[in-house]
Order: sequence, then C-alpha cells, then structure tokens
Amino acid sequence: AQSVSQHNHHVILSEAASLELGCNYSYGGTVNLFWYVQYPGQHLQLLLKYFSGDPLVKGIKGFEAEFIKSKFSFNLRKPSVQWSDTAEYFCAVTSRNTGNQFYFGTGTSLTVIP
Amino acid sequence: DSGVTQTPKHLITATGQRVTLRCSPRSGDLSVYWYQQSLDQGLQFLIQYYNGEERAKGNILERFSAQQFPDLHSELNLSSLELGDSALYFCASSVGYRGGTTEAFFGQGTRLTVV
Repeated sequence: AQSVSQHNHHVILSEAASLELGCNYSYGGTVNLFWYVQYPGQHLQLLLKYFSGDPLVKGIKGFEAEFIKSKFSFNLRKPSVQWSDTAEYFCAVTSRNTGNQFYFGTGTSLTVIP
Repeated sequence: DSGVTQTPKHLITATGQRVTLRCSPRSGDLSVYWYQQSLDQGLQFLIQYYNGEERAKGNILERFSAQQFPDLHSELNLSSLELGDSALYFCASSVGYRGGTTEAFFGQGTRLTVV
C-alpha cells in the first residue's frame, strides 16, 4: 500500500541543537515531495518542496531537505533550531501514479526548549 | 493568508445533528481536498474534488459527504454527528489534478465540537 512514514512522533530539543526529521515514502514513479509546518493553533504552511533537479532543497526559516531516491526518503534538517520552531511537521508526497493526490505522514511534534 | 477560506471557524453542535462546512479555494485552483485532524488520528485525508468531480476518497465515513460546486467552492456535510467527530477539519486547494502539481494551500480550518 502507498504510504508516507514519519518515524519520529515527538522530538524535544534545546535551542541551538540540530534537527533531522525522517520521512520515507512508498510510491512508484515520479514523486513530488513536500514538508509542511503547523504552528500551534494555525493551519498548515509550506516549508519547502521538491519537484526535480538538485536533491538538496532549501526552504524558509533555514530549513532544508534532501531527497534520496534510492532510500525513498526526504528528511528535513535544520542546523540550529529556535524556540519559535516549536510546531508539528508533516511530510507529504504526490505522485502521477496516484493522480497527484496529496498523501501526508502522521506528523512529528517538535518542542524546542529555550 | 493562504487564499483558502473556510467557514465557520468554530462550530459547536449536539450529537445526532448535521452540519455543513464550507471552503472557497484559492483563485484558479481546481482541486479541493478535505482533511480531518484529531489528536489521536493525526491528519486524515477525507476526499478530493477536481473541477466539480470526485477524484479520490480516503477515510471518509458514510455519514459524511462532500461536493464541489460550479464556482469551485466545496462543502463537507457531516451528519448523525458523534462525539468522536470532534476535530479540526481542513480544506486545501491546489492548481490541478492533471498535468503536474504544485503545493497545496490550506485554509485555517473549522474546529468542530460535538457535545
């Protein structure tokens, strides 16, 4: 079955620590990959996206993600987190094989301690 | 502001009742998605419409239905409500279904509380 897996459900970090959130997908063919962020009480907002080209994608607020096709992964990274990064992070995939429908992972809750 | 408008923002209703949630997509977007977000289930895909037609169905209960109108706004109808239906319901829109994709833009959500 097609799926998006986010293995880290809850992550707690101190400010200035480095962050890496895992995302793995199981879809065939060409995929488009996204990371969304949901700050407390708000809607989901796009952090970054990958359609093609350089597999290292830079997004807003210092976030980046690397697409590794052989591992079916699209992990999110940030070298130094801030308290304001406390939020829920969702990985999402679309694929032409599935009619470009968005599939979301279950999310990772990040808490950054000042 | 994502450009996706959802109304109402909050809704409190009793068990057994029926409610309608409304979504206006971004100008030019033809695809509308509905998601349910609850604490225990996470973000669950309910249904997708493209240019008025149903394109994909996810974990949508039979008590729930949706439609997309000619002006591309969409409504999600929830009937015979149960306590467990209390959740945040998000609508998202994107450019299209065929010929490539862009990101989905999310509305602010409707928080439904069933008492």
